[in-house]
Amino acid sequence: NAGVMQNPRHLVRRRGQEARLRCSPMKGHSHVYWYRQLPEEGLKFMVYLQKENIIDESGMPKERFSAEFPKEGPSILRIQQVVRGDSAAYFCASLITGAGEAFFGQGTRLTVV
Amino acid sequence: QKEVEQDPGPLSVPEGAIVSLNCTYSNSAFQYFMWYRQYSRKGPELLMYTYSSGNKEDGRFTAQVDKSSKYISLFIRDSQPSDSATYLCAMRNNFNKFYFGSGTKLNVKP
Repeated sequence: NAGVMQNPRHLVRRRGQEARLRCSPMKGHSHVYWYRQLPEEGLKFMVYLQKENIIDESGMPKERFSAEFPKEGPSILRIQQVVRGDSAAYFCASLITGAGEAFFGQGTRLTVV
Repeated sequence: QKEVEQDPGPLSVPEGAIVSLNCTYSNSAFQYFMWYRQYSRKGPELLMYTYSSGNKEDGRFTAQVDKSSKYISLFIRDSQPSDSATYLCAMRNNFNKFYFGSGTKLNVKP
């Protein structure tokens, strides 16, 4: 059973470009969470999605950021018009309905130049 | 007040020592408790998961939950240099929302 898969692992974007981060949850997991982490800091919650629904986006910036988890395919975190301050590691985690614990991917490290 | 409080450390111990990591929380609705280990530039790895109160042991690791005191602990016996990492506590409510501590950085010296 493959773990949570995130790609790409590293992404370099110029200021003003778009960044698309993908997360394939573990098999059978229908809940996905996105977190952002700066060096030497903790995990900052961004958004919680179930298949085709955004459940909680209280941690998402109001502009430029969006997330989706379609019926088929991976969850996507999209950052439009990236700025240097968007440089960070972005982690996704998945949860199976009825379970207590979530499992994390290895993250995507976004660098904005 | 933060939902979850965790001492950031760093905590430095000699190899073979017993390590105690702790978190306190404020929300009595939390039912699910986890510890994650995160190596530098890697994703958090689930170490221990406990539902409600009590102890759970897995090899050199023991997780304790005291819901009456709103306090959880992770003990590492016979610590190894390979245990050097950041340890994150996490809790979950019945609405599937997770709350993480800020992480404790542990360094086990050979």
